[in-house]
Amino acid sequence: DVKVTQSSRYLVKRTGEKVFLECVQDMDHENMFWYRQDPGLGLRLIYFSYDVKMKEKGDIPEGYSVSREKKERFSLILESASTNQTSMYLCASSDPSRGQETQYFGPGTRLLVL
Amino acid sequence: SQKIEQNSEALNIQEGKTATLTCNYTNYSPAYLQWYRQDPGRGPVFLLLIRENEKEKRKERLKVTFDTTLKQSLFHITASQPADSATYLCALVGGSSNTGKLIFGQGTTLQVKP
Repeated sequence: DVKVTQSSRYLVKRTGEKVFLECVQDMDHENMFWYRQDPGLGLRLIYFSYDVKMKEKGDIPEGYSVSREKKERFSLILESASTNQTSMYLCASSDPSRGQETQYFGPGTRLLVL
Repeated sequence: SQKIEQNSEALNIQEGKTATLTCNYTNYSPAYLQWYRQDPGRGPVFLLLIRENEKEKRKERLKVTFDTTLKQSLFHITASQPADSATYLCALVGGSSNTGKLIFGQGTTLQVKP
């Protein structure tokens, strides 16, 4: 089974702090994604990566950056956390070689920015 | 612009009945469509995929239909159980299929009452 893990289930940070969210997948997937999920807005794509050191902006990249130094690890960075970044953050991975783009999600990190 | 719509109102049904959830899309010609289940505080879990040349797909008590003329997918759960209570998301391939990006609907919450 594919396993996607996220470094924290819950995080509380202060406004202005730099925040790192880590995601690791164990199935050698090429693609990795970061989403945020808010009530009434659904899943929104922040960034995705289709290879090591490669990244592309999603629909809402402002205020975020990402890093993918190793194939299995995809990090989301909030350079200076703000209260409007309080949300549920979900990481996912997929294997494009299968041609189905099924995404496997981690358990999520609920971030509260005070 | 591309749009996916799921009924935002919760669906409440009695145990044993068939639940039917709807996913409509516009300005899209997806090669395939996926359905995911999401429990509160958890990441979505993949359930079924249906391709554009398939009219119907089944998996145990689940059935998905895909009508590319109506631009609609229906997701059925037969003999529903309280354990089926969750939010169900539909997802379409976004843009070029080899980017790996999915566009998610906002989800419909299903509540099955004993």
